[in-house]
Amino acid sequence: AQSVTQPDIHITVSEGASLELRCNYSYGATPYLFWYVQSPGQGLQLLLKYFSGDTLVQGIKGFEAEFKRSQSSFNLRKPSVHWSDAAEYFCAVGAVDSSYKLIFGSGTRLLVRP
Amino acid sequence: DTEVTQTPKHLVMGMTNKKSLKCEQHMGHRAMYWYKQKAKKPPELMFVYSYEKLSINESVPSRFSPECPNSSLLNLHLHALQPEDSALYLCASSQTGTGSHQPQHFGDGTRLSIL
Repeated sequence: AQSVTQPDIHITVSEGASLELRCNYSYGATPYLFWYVQSPGQGLQLLLKYFSGDTLVQGIKGFEAEFKRSQSSFNLRKPSVHWSDAAEYFCAVGAVDSSYKLIFGSGTRLLVRP
Repeated sequence: DTEVTQTPKHLVMGMTNKKSLKCEQHMGHRAMYWYKQKAKKPPELMFVYSYEKLSINESVPSRFSPECPNSSLLNLHLHALQPEDSALYLCASSQTGTGSHQPQHFGDGTRLSIL
């Protein structure tokens, strides 16, 4: 069965520092991968997606993610974090059956130190 | 600004009340979704509509009743809810009615509290 693991429940970084949020997926073939961000009291906003092709994907708000098949990973990165980036981040994989399901990881809460 | 609009933003209701949550999108998407999200948890899929037909029902209790009047609107009718149903209810839509490769676009949700 497909699954997504986000090993870090919380991450704290200083403003201006770089960021990497980890995501590991379980699936044999190339998955459809997504990163979403959720600010308090709001819905989920799509940051970026990967289907195929270039393994380095650029997203909104200065985020990027790299698909590494050998490590079954799709880590999210940002070179310089802003205080407004504090939020919950969800990695998700699209189900490969005929459904439309997104399988979410448990999320990583990002805290930003001034 | 979100392109999926949900109303109301907050709802407090008693266990005997009947209420409805509404969702609207004008992106021409043909698949619409309801999710339930508890605090500090990822969203859980409840229902999927594809081309206005119910496609997935994740064994949700019958006190939740979805309705898709047209391709732009999605309602969730609530009746006789329990305190454990208190959560953030998220609506989402995606471009086509097939395939999980289409990204889903979420509304800001309705925060539901059951007294």
